Amino acid sequence: NAGVTQTPKFQVLKTGQSMTLQCAQDMNHNSMYWYRQDPGMGLRLIYYSASEGTTDKGEVPNGYNVSRLNKREFSLRLESAAPSQTSVYFCASSGGQGLNSPLHFGNGTRLTVT
Amino acid sequence: DAKTTQPPSMDCAEGRAANLPCNHSTISGNEYVYWYRQIHSQGPQYIIHGLKNNETNEMASLIITEDRKSSTLILPHATLRDTAVYYCIVRVRQAGTALIFGKGTTLSVSS
Repeated sequence: NAGVTQTPKFQVLKTGQSMTLQCAQDMNHNSMYWYRQDPGMGLRLIYYSASEGTTDKGEVPNGYNVSRLNKREFSLRLESAAPSQTSVYFCASSGGQGLNSPLHFGNGTRLTVT
Repeated sequence: DAKTTQPPSMDCAEGRAANLPCNHSTISGNEYVYWYRQIHSQGPQYIIHGLKNNETNEMASLIITEDRKSSTLILPHATLRDTAVYYCIVRVRQAGTALIFGKGTTLSVSS
């Protein structure tokens, strides 16, 4: 199994451009999450989806939108990229039926906005 | 804000036990303690979690104090590959609840 797959791995954008970060999981998990990590910092939650059809804001949602396309896929969109959004973005999933199911993370998308 | 406090860094000699402390003095009765680690810039990796009893798995042991206000993650025989940032997180026992990460402890294992 691939686990959590994120695409692309690297991306460079100019200020004002838009893009969508893709995330897919093959573990039949109910919940999915988007985090960002700035250099030397811990992870900060952007948005999450507790189950298919629902999304909720995390700690730092401004400037982002999300779509839970189906149970497998959860995308993150930057409508008008800003240099402050330069970061590493991690997608994660958890679930099945276990309330204490640990999060499984992808390997990240490294985004630079110039 | 994260609900846990961890030392920013610790050192450990290879082969020795690494004991990573975490303070969570405001933990609620329905919150579990989770530990994750992040090696270089990879995605975080789950290590262990517990409610009030001590827990052990193939990676580590988790010791939670009786009043649940603090815990210790123990890596019994640290190796160089255990060098990473270790995150202690409290989380309610509810499906879909997100983890809120703090800054963690950078563990450096040296030979």
